[in-house]
Amino acid sequence: NAGVTQTPKFQVLKTGQSMTLQCAQDMNHNSMYWYRQDPGMGLRLIYYSASEGTTDKGEVPNGYNVSRLNKREFSLRLESAAPSQTSVYFCASSERDPSYEQYFGPGTRLTVT
Amino acid sequence: RKEVEQDPGPFNVPEGATVAFNCTYSNSASQSFFWYRQDCRKEPKLLMSVYSSGNEDGRFTAQLNRASQYISLLIRDSKLSDSATYLCVAGGYSGAGSYQLTFGKGTKLSVIP
Repeated sequence: NAGVTQTPKFQVLKTGQSMTLQCAQDMNHNSMYWYRQDPGMGLRLIYYSASEGTTDKGEVPNGYNVSRLNKREFSLRLESAAPSQTSVYFCASSERDPSYEQYFGPGTRLTVT
Repeated sequence: RKEVEQDPGPFNVPEGATVAFNCTYSNSASQSFFWYRQDCRKEPKLLMSVYSSGNEDGRFTAQLNRASQYISLLIRDSKLSDSATYLCVAGGYSGAGSYQLTFGKGTKLSVIP
């Protein structure tokens, strides 16, 4: 039982490049989330998916897109990376809605130069 | 924007000491409350949920004061392994009508031998 897995662990992009961050959970959770964490800031929600086939914007969605591929997988895409998107990205899942405990993946450290 | 405010610390305490953290939340309609623990360069992990009646888990006690909109965490008999950043979290409905968690920026604890 791996919990929440994320790939890649580290990534360096040049401004304007695109990439997709992958996330998968094996706990049969309904809800999945993408957060970013910046120094001096709390975790901020980018997008979330309450169930397979649905996605909603969080606090900071600009510059990102998501896909809930199936119940297990939730990907985050940066279409045209900007230096302001340099951050640590965490994927999380919860059994039901956000009022339930969220389990986090190990994170992806992204640097955009 | 809904806020959760915490003293960033660091709190440097000797082994065996008792230490208390407080945080305040701005959304009076918040319904769920948590303390997460985050080790350096790791993902957040749930330490404990916080209930209106207060709750205890071993050396950890959490309290909620809805009238004053603050949450506390008490750690007794501190261990070296308690060194981490503690994130205060409040959950409630956003302006868009979706349920979201708001994370504080964290309080750093260092337990010294």
